[in-house]
Amino acid sequence: AQSVTQLGSHVSVSEGALVLLRCNYSSSVPPYLFWYVQYPNQGLQLLLKYTTGATLVKGINGFEAEFKKSETSFHLTKPSAHMSDAAEYFCAVSNQAGTALIFGKGTTLSVSS
Amino acid sequence: DSGVTQTPKHLITATGQRVTLRCSPRSGDLSVYWYQQSLDQGLQFLIQYYNGEERAKGNILERFSAQQFPDLHSELNLSSLELGDSALYFCASSVAGGRSGNTIYFGEGSWLTVV
Repeated sequence: AQSVTQLGSHVSVSEGALVLLRCNYSSSVPPYLFWYVQYPNQGLQLLLKYTTGATLVKGINGFEAEFKKSETSFHLTKPSAHMSDAAEYFCAVSNQAGTALIFGKGTTLSVSS
Repeated sequence: DSGVTQTPKHLITATGQRVTLRCSPRSGDLSVYWYQQSLDQGLQFLIQYYNGEERAKGNILERFSAQQFPDLHSELNLSSLELGDSALYFCASSVAGGRSGNTIYFGEGSWLTVV
């Protein structure tokens, strides 16, 4: 069965620092992987996704993620954090049938000035 | 704005009652999904409909039911409500229904508080 593990429920960085949010997945089929962001009192917004092809995926707001099959990872990075990046981030994998997303428990990103 | 519209945004009701949450998918999307987000369970998939037919079931309680209408809007019915049903309920939609890697767009959610 498909599953996602997000390492670290809370990550704190300074403004301008590197952001690294970790995600490991388990999938019995080639995975489709997603990162979503949730700002306070809002819905989930897609940051980026990996389906096939290039393993380095670029998303919105300067975020990118690299699919590493050998490590079963799909970590999210941003070179320089901005105060507006403070939010909760969710990694997700498509289930085998492609009928639902299986989400990790989320990582709250705090950015300090 | 994702294009997925959910109503109501907030709802407070008493235990034992029944409520209906409504969702209009993005224009052109045939698939509708319902998710529940709570502090203890996180984001849980409840159910998916594709073009009016149930396609997949997740952790949906028997007290809950959903349907998708010919105009593609969907409703989630929650009955015999318990305190533990208090959560944020998301509707989401996508073009396709199967293993396509297509993007699933989420609405802003309906906050349900059971007192």
